[in-house]
Amino acid sequence: DAKTTQPNSMESNEEEPVHLPCNHSTISGTDYIHWYRQLPSQGPEYVIHGLTSNVNNRMASLAIAEDRKSSTLILHRATLRDAAVYYCILRASGAGSYQLTFGKGTKLSVIP
Amino acid sequence: KAGVTQTPRYLIKTRGQQVTLSCSPISGHRSVSWYQQTPGQGLQFLFEYFSETQRNKGNFPGRFSGRQFSNSRSEMNVSTLELGDSALYLCASSLMGTNEKLFFGSGTQLSVL
Repeated sequence: DAKTTQPNSMESNEEEPVHLPCNHSTISGTDYIHWYRQLPSQGPEYVIHGLTSNVNNRMASLAIAEDRKSSTLILHRATLRDAAVYYCILRASGAGSYQLTFGKGTKLSVIP
Repeated sequence: KAGVTQTPRYLIKTRGQQVTLSCSPISGHRSVSWYQQTPGQGLQFLFEYFSETQRNKGNFPGRFSGRQFSNSRSEMNVSTLELGDSALYLCASSLMGTNEKLFFGSGTQLSVL
């Protein structure tokens, strides 16, 4: 499986935007970029995913570099509830898509 | 719509015993996958089932097994428990199990003494 690299931790002030980076230089043409987050004492929660174009949903935006070797998850206004571990995951197509391969993720702290 | 339900929430067992964990997916979801989460190894894929068939399996010993029933509910079993099996076991469901979002349960926290 192609690997992702994320910073171990990041901090943000409440109500400010947060940009969470992810490097995936060995991504293949059919790999989707998925983001999940895990709040304390809960299972992971889907955030967003994309293939080539930037994506927006009610939770966040996903900016994908033109060469697809990196991406950035954008939380437009961080709240205390956004404090979590954020995982950037490459998901293959076909049989390879049946599983998620989690890395260490980025632990986001939100300062009131 | 009810979310993914895992039972029990907490479980304490001793070495050598076996354990069965249960997962009820979201209604209509046919794919169920299982993950193990430990502080040292993070989240690791165990196996995935779709329509009662195991489609993919992670790198775990044969002591870890699972099955899926016709109503999509799934169980996983761990035999001959070891101390290192202490972990949070998470179940996730989705419609087809391919490139779509997974919905995770809150997990079963297993402690092996």
